[in-house]
Amino acid sequence: AQSVSQHNHHVILSEAASLELGCNYSYGGTVNLFWYVQYPGQHLQLLLKYFSGDPLVKGIKGFEAEFIKSKFSFNLRKPSVQWSDTAEYFCAVYGGSQGNLIFGKGTKLSVKP
Amino acid sequence: DTEVTQTPKHLVMGMTNKKSLKCEQHMGHRAMYWYKQKAKKPPELMFVYSYEKLSINESVPSRFSPECPNSSLLNLHLHALQPEDSALYLCASSHQVTGGDTEAFFGQGTRLTVV
Repeated sequence: AQSVSQHNHHVILSEAASLELGCNYSYGGTVNLFWYVQYPGQHLQLLLKYFSGDPLVKGIKGFEAEFIKSKFSFNLRKPSVQWSDTAEYFCAVYGGSQGNLIFGKGTKLSVKP
Repeated sequence: DTEVTQTPKHLVMGMTNKKSLKCEQHMGHRAMYWYKQKAKKPPELMFVYSYEKLSINESVPSRFSPECPNSSLLNLHLHALQPEDSALYLCASSHQVTGGDTEAFFGQGTRLTVV
């Protein structure tokens, strides 16, 4: 069975700081990888996804992520965060043949103005 | 239309009540999901339907009963719930469950409180 680890529980940054959130997964087969964001009181929204091809994927709102197969990692990055990026960020992995979309525990990002 | 619509948005029910949560999508997706999310926790997968057939049941208690009447609708029937079942219940859909575009679109959820 697959699993997802997010190493940072709570990250606090000042505006304009750079962001990197770690995500590692455990699964031996082909995976689809996602980062979702959940703003306070709102539903899950997709930031970006990786299915195949270029391992550096760009998403919405200036976010990007890099898939490193040898490290089983899919880290999320943003060069300069804004106060409006304050939210919970979830890494998710889709593996297997039946529909297992499994989420990591999430990282809470707080951006100070 | 790229929406997954869930009703009701909020639900308060007693432990002896029977209620249902509803989910609808018109994106032509053939996979639909139920997740449970407790406060400050990630979504936990409950059920997956693929082509209207149940493909995954993550050992969910029988007081939760899913139903997929057609490819656009997904219900979750609730009976004899416990207070610890109070949570945000999320519905999602994707084109398919394997081999291609598995991006899941989530609804806004139903906030369930069991009293």
